[in-house]
Amino acid sequence: SQKIEQNSEALNIQEGKTATLTCNYTNYSPAYLQWYRQDPGRGPVFLLLIRENEKEKRKERLKVTFDTTLKQSLFHITASQPADSATYLCALDNAGNMLTFGGGTRLMVKP
Amino acid sequence: DGGITQSPKYLFRKEGQNVTLSCEQNLNHDAMYWYRQDPGQGLRLIYYSQIVNDFQKGDIAEGYSVSREKKESFPLTVTSAQKNPTAFYLCASSIILGNTEAFFGQGTRLTVV
Repeated sequence: SQKIEQNSEALNIQEGKTATLTCNYTNYSPAYLQWYRQDPGRGPVFLLLIRENEKEKRKERLKVTFDTTLKQSLFHITASQPADSATYLCALDNAGNMLTFGGGTRLMVKP
Repeated sequence: DGGITQSPKYLFRKEGQNVTLSCEQNLNHDAMYWYRQDPGQGLRLIYYSQIVNDFQKGDIAEGYSVSREKKESFPLTVTSAQKNPTAFYLCASSIILGNTEAFFGQGTRLTVV
């Protein structure tokens, strides 16, 4: 069966450290993968999109990698800040170009 | 300001009643989507529309209906046939279907009382 797995346990890190979140998928062949940030009670906000032919993408303190052999994407936040605390969702394209979301990982950055 | 607006933010429904959630966008996007999110869960696709006057069922369409009579509007009706309607409902839009970022509204929290 098809699955998108993100760590359901919260990730707690100290301010200034690098946060690394994982997105693993099974039985998908995505052409692209996206990462979103969601704050409590709010809609997700788009962060980054990476295509299957791209190994890495950066945007300010954010970095995403996409390994189609391992079927995995890693999302890094460098020099993390308490304001980075949120739930981060990965999403990939399913048949018909529809976005399918993982369950999200909650990140807590402590001062 | 361009954006996507959902209303109301909170909605209470009695069992057996239909209720309609509003979603409007002024981004000139062709594609629109409805997702449902349960506590601690990811988003599940209910319906999507690639273009005006067209829409398709997503993974969990049973008990829901939609219309797309105008490009800007994609209302979702939660019918009495939906057995467990209490959830957080999110509307989104994108320039075209797939392979592009989705813009989300702020969500409607529906509670059945």
